[in-house]
Amino acid sequence: SQQGEEDPQALSIQEGENATMNCSYKTSINNLQWYRQNSGRGLVHLILIRSNEREKHSGRLRVTLDTSKKSSSLLITASRAADTASYFCATAQGLTMNRDDKIIFGKGTRLHILP
Amino acid sequence: DTGVSQNPRHKITKRGQNVTFRCDPISEHNRLYWYRQTLGQGPEFLTYFQNEAQLEKSRLLSDRFSAERPKGSFSTLEIQRTEQGDSAMYLCASSFKAQGEKLLFGSGTQLSVL
Repeated sequence: SQQGEEDPQALSIQEGENATMNCSYKTSINNLQWYRQNSGRGLVHLILIRSNEREKHSGRLRVTLDTSKKSSSLLITASRAADTASYFCATAQGLTMNRDDKIIFGKGTRLHILP
Repeated sequence: DTGVSQNPRHKITKRGQNVTFRCDPISEHNRLYWYRQTLGQGPEFLTYFQNEAQLEKSRLLSDRFSAERPKGSFSTLEIQRTEQGDSAMYLCASSFKAQGEKLLFGSGTQLSVL
């Protein structure tokens, strides 16, 4: 089963530009995470934002969370060729300490940085 | 600790055969997840464990799939009577629940069913 829906499915931008990806989800969450996956490899955790947070920064990454709209966005500033990858949002559903708080991924945004 | 380890990296099998994959998580991690991923798609949840207890198995998963984590350390995922539709990358991830569920992924096992 998949919970999140990333938008757009694919994005191509020039190196140096900013890239914005969006994620919408359906149920209440404890936190939302963003992961990156380079072709043929495992996923790498980028950033986690809790349900009581609205914005979080990590280096060139900025994540926002709007629980009223059940949506999040990931902004990558000053993009580089090495940022070319697939990006996935993931949500932990359910109540803290609840056994049903499994982590579910969206379908991803494929980002391509053009030189 | 060298991270989450999955074996084998690649598995080619004939339809109808059984296959078993192994995942060795980070030693102090109490949660272990299995996901399946096909080309162009996100990881699809299969099952997860807290220590040795299997908390949930995806309802989309047929009875041909079974997973174990007998001592709360490594885990195995078995697929019986494989079908061509089982061809995918099988990903394992682990986390320490109290630290906010950041998952560390292995490199995956690529299964090809001929």
